[in-house]
Amino acid sequence: DGGITQSPKYLFRKEGQNVTLSCEQNLNHDAMYWYRQDPGQGLRLIYYSQIVNDFQKGDIAEGYSVSREKKESFPLTVTSAQKNPTAFYLCASAADRADNEQFFGPGTRLTVL
Amino acid sequence: KNQVEQSPQSLIILEGKNCTLQCNYTVSPFSNLRWYKQDTGRGPVSLTIMTFSENTKSNGRYTATLDADTKQSSLHITASQLSDSASYICVVRNTGGFKTIFGAGTRLFVKA
Repeated sequence: DGGITQSPKYLFRKEGQNVTLSCEQNLNHDAMYWYRQDPGQGLRLIYYSQIVNDFQKGDIAEGYSVSREKKESFPLTVTSAQKNPTAFYLCASAADRADNEQFFGPGTRLTVL
Repeated sequence: KNQVEQSPQSLIILEGKNCTLQCNYTVSPFSNLRWYKQDTGRGPVSLTIMTFSENTKSNGRYTATLDADTKQSSLHITASQLSDSASYICVVRNTGGFKTIFGAGTRLFVKA
């Protein structure tokens, strides 16, 4: 099956801990994105990557970090510096940065206890 | 400022009825507009894309319209089904800057 996967589906974290969310795609897409979704708000861009070993900050990058060592993978680390990390996190990919149809993963719901 | 506003925030309709969701945007310069459907706890899935020259586009029971002059779009759902219960998100992209702006969505509940 071609697609984009995220794991885990649910994640619980204690305050002060870092946690890493996984995102994998086998669509051979160059561009990958991380979004945060909060109730009553549109998706907000955290980080994006146009190509392997390159990534750029989005609108709300503070407290987050990413890596893009492989084309298929774009993990997101939520650090203890993120003040309000409880949210639904969505990963997406697109053929390239200019191709705006983004294919989304199923999401990870992070809850900080 | 690039913005996308959707209305209503939520909507409840009876199965079999029609409904129309609205999207107003101020994104400029405009490239295209997409409507996504997002089931609860899942990622959004694209329903349709509208470019500047298109006024109407259908995808089964979903029909999207675009008025580029007034910067408004609508998504009309015909003969609603229980499976239409979801959030519908309007997404607008600008040219050149590769900026994609997401609306907050309309939460649709279809009742039997």
